[in-house]
Amino acid sequence: GAVVSQHPSRVICKSGTSVKIECRSLDFQATTMFWYRQFPKQSLMLMATSNEGSKATYEQGVEKDKFLINHASLTLSTLTVTSAHPEDSSFYICSASTAGRDEETQYFGPGTRLLVL
Amino acid sequence: AQKITQTQPGMFVQEKEAVTLDCTYDTSDPSYGLFWYKQPSSGEMIFLIYQGSYDQQNATEGRYSLNFQKARKSANLVISASQLGDSAMYFCAMRVTNAGKSTFGDGTTLTVKP
Repeated sequence: GAVVSQHPSRVICKSGTSVKIECRSLDFQATTMFWYRQFPKQSLMLMATSNEGSKATYEQGVEKDKFLINHASLTLSTLTVTSAHPEDSSFYICSASTAGRDEETQYFGPGTRLLVL
Repeated sequence: AQKITQTQPGMFVQEKEAVTLDCTYDTSDPSYGLFWYKQPSSGEMIFLIYQGSYDQQNATEGRYSLNFQKARKSANLVISASQLGDSAMYFCAMRVTNAGKSTFGDGTTLTVKP
């Protein structure tokens, strides 16, 4: 099946710094990428949907200026957590899908565990 | 708006037995897809099975089968011959055709006992 990579897998940073997470589709072109946040033992919460070459669509309650998303190519999307604070500590997962096939599942990256001290 | 309900926060099953994980959904759209994912403790989301709203037959993938009852709006996952490695969190999800994004349930934590 299709492969999506995410980097880094784990990051620890100081409060106030910015952290960039990369999501790459390795063997297919992803027209759409999704960014999720997940707290322990909870469901995935969609943060934003990004389409290549256009601005991301953010879900209600997600701060656009805090969670910057860039989808510069059909294989790469980045999520930057700006001025991170301890409450931003979470598990962030990206997924990618191709257009035109609704039976096509979203392919998930392995996730990034962010810990803000 | 779409909604997915998984009413079982936790389930236990004996190794080698079958188990059913419940999922009900709500949507007014006639065309949609239903998905099940497995999330082990490592965090990765593993796609298990897909059912389209117009599919006449229930989907099957190895030990996984989806009991699709459209009139009841339910899409239960059946795992046959449970293995210790099946212990994980399981999510039911729905995506309306052409909508792009998926809606996830709260998940069910399955524990397989030896």
